[in-house]
Amino acid sequence: DSGVTQTPKHLITATGQRVTLRCSPRSGDLSVYWYQQSLDQGLQFLIQYYNGEERAKGNILERFSAQQFPDLHSELNLSSLELGDSALYFCASTPGQGFYEQYFGPGTRLTVT
Amino acid sequence: AQSVTQPDIHITVSEGASLELRCNYSYGATPYLFWYVQSPGQGLQLLLKYFSGDTLVQGIKGFEAEFKRSQSSFNLRKPSVHWSDAAEYFCAVGTDSNYQLIWGAGTKLIIKP
Repeated sequence: DSGVTQTPKHLITATGQRVTLRCSPRSGDLSVYWYQQSLDQGLQFLIQYYNGEERAKGNILERFSAQQFPDLHSELNLSSLELGDSALYFCASTPGQGFYEQYFGPGTRLTVT
Repeated sequence: AQSVTQPDIHITVSEGASLELRCNYSYGATPYLFWYVQSPGQGLQLLLKYFSGDTLVQGIKGFEAEFKRSQSSFNLRKPSVHWSDAAEYFCAVGTDSNYQLIWGAGTKLIIKP
């Protein structure tokens, strides 16, 4: 158990809908990373937050957004969902500045039908 | 630009046999290197890391990896694999940018009984 929690574990929704994925980092970790993992794209970095502020953006679609709250949990919002958004979404956390090793949550499996 | 290459998409090994998974990186300075393992349906777990010092690093579950600067490699090894080692293995290198990781595409390890 990495100490990173993600909810829900599974999510099934229809095209065009909007969903919110939640991540709670390890106790004390300030930095949260979001990843998308699909069969054809592999592990893709989406976005990073550090202590409530966006720090880096990767291959995140405009339909996707994220935020990190004062209690350091983070949410990833996916809207206007398409079939191709079906994937595993992971969050990972680190203590923050100067730390590279990331600790991953168990993931949320999103299925868009 | 920094990059990580895992040349083998799949590797099949008999139970009890030795294992070597290849990882090559492209990075100008001394890299921070990682191996992660992802069991089916699970998140990624850190196996081992190299920051500096001894080029042979030991990790969890009996794995080790050797950093070879001259070959820009960080190959993962295990002397005798167990069926429970069947998983996907990811190599990653730390970047200068917000402590992000650049990920390889992963190698899927299949264990033959």
